[in-house]
Amino acid sequence: DVKVTQSSRYLVKRTGEKVFLECVQDMDHENMFWYRQDPGLGLRLIYFSYDVKMKEKGDIPEGYSVSREKKERFSLILESASTNQTSMYLCASSLTVGSYGYTFGSGTRLTVV
Amino acid sequence: EDQVTQSPEALRLQEGESSSLNCSYTVSGLRGLFWYRQDPGKGPEFLFTLYSAGEEKEKERLKATLTKKESFLHITAPKPEDSATYLCAVLPGGYQKVTFGIGTKLQVIP
Repeated sequence: DVKVTQSSRYLVKRTGEKVFLECVQDMDHENMFWYRQDPGLGLRLIYFSYDVKMKEKGDIPEGYSVSREKKERFSLILESASTNQTSMYLCASSLTVGSYGYTFGSGTRLTVV
Repeated sequence: EDQVTQSPEALRLQEGESSSLNCSYTVSGLRGLFWYRQDPGKGPEFLFTLYSAGEEKEKERLKATLTKKESFLHITAPKPEDSATYLCAVLPGGYQKVTFGIGTKLQVIP
């Protein structure tokens, strides 16, 4: 089975800190995605990547950046954390877009205080 | 703009009481419609992909169907372990980005 591993299940950070969320997949998938999930708003796409060193903005990229230096690893960076970035962050990967759906990680619950 | 609307927002069923969840969508040329299951505090788990109107997929007590405007997830004789949030998502033609619905939270009471 494909596994998508997110480095932390729970994180608490202070306002203004730089935060790194790490995601690793083990099945050589081309495509990787970062979402945030909030009650009543559902899953919203932050950034995605179709290849190493390649990135595309999603629907809500403001305040975030990403890095994909290796195919298996996709990192989400909060440049200066703010309280409105408190959320559940989900990483996903897929072999091809729209083929077999996405495989999601277990999520990181980030609280910014 | 692509839109996905799921109804109801929440559904409470007695064990064994069959029902259906609805996913209505507006998209430019559907390439695929996906159903996911999400348990509390976990990431969504892929269930089905449907590609064209009339298609059906089944897995245990779940059956997904697709028309040109909506998809249904039918749950037959549900059990308490079917309790979860069910998410619908669409992939439009000529584009790479999936749009998710907010989900239906299903609770099955023993």
